Amino acid sequence: EPEVTQTPSHQVTQMGQEVILRCVPISNHLYFYWYRQILGQKVEFLVSFYNNEISEKSEIFDDQFSVERPDGSNFTLKIRSTKLEDSAMYFCASLQQGASEQYFGPGTRLTVT
Amino acid sequence: AQSVAQPEDQVNVAEGNPLTVKCTYSVSGNPYLFWYVQYPNRGLQFLLKYITGDNLVKGSYGFEAEFNKSQTSFHLKKPSALVSDSALYFCAVRDERRGGADGLTFGKGTHLIIQP
Repeated sequence: EPEVTQTPSHQVTQMGQEVILRCVPISNHLYFYWYRQILGQKVEFLVSFYNNEISEKSEIFDDQFSVERPDGSNFTLKIRSTKLEDSAMYFCASLQQGASEQYFGPGTRLTVT
Repeated sequence: AQSVAQPEDQVNVAEGNPLTVKCTYSVSGNPYLFWYVQYPNRGLQFLLKYITGDNLVKGSYGFEAEFNKSQTSFHLKKPSALVSDSALYFCAVRDERRGGADGLTFGKGTHLIIQP
């Protein structure tokens, strides 16, 4: 069964450094998403991406964040200058055109020290 | 703005007993409702959804959920709990009108603990 994959599973970085989180969505899916889950809190929507551009973004998704689909398979989330409060689990998800349920990857745990 | 409430942080059920995990929602238009399950150190796994039609929807692993429009609820149920059902359960909603670009709004999650 096709799955969303994410790398790395755990990333440790120092405050102020740039990080790139990588995702490979399910191959025939056309909508892509990033969510985050701060430890002990709810899952929060960051951004959606369709047809090579951002479709929707939340208030969390400020100028420090960017997304890109650099090739036909990868979908990346970049945080330009990480802060301590960016420490969270980041989930990628994808959705097939015409479907309603999003499929989530296993997540990347980002720790900012 | 849309929102989801899961009023219970934790639900404890004896194995073999029926279980219910509660969810209420608020959305401007018609809701698309989802339940996801998260096992330790794993991602979110889709369980079931309500889009339209029959108010009782069936999903994976014997779970079902009942959509109640008047009470704006979408409670998750299972007739007979298994120890392996122990996990964190999330209810989520999006507005039907906003299409696939819209992100899901999640509840805070409910820990389901099934005691042998």
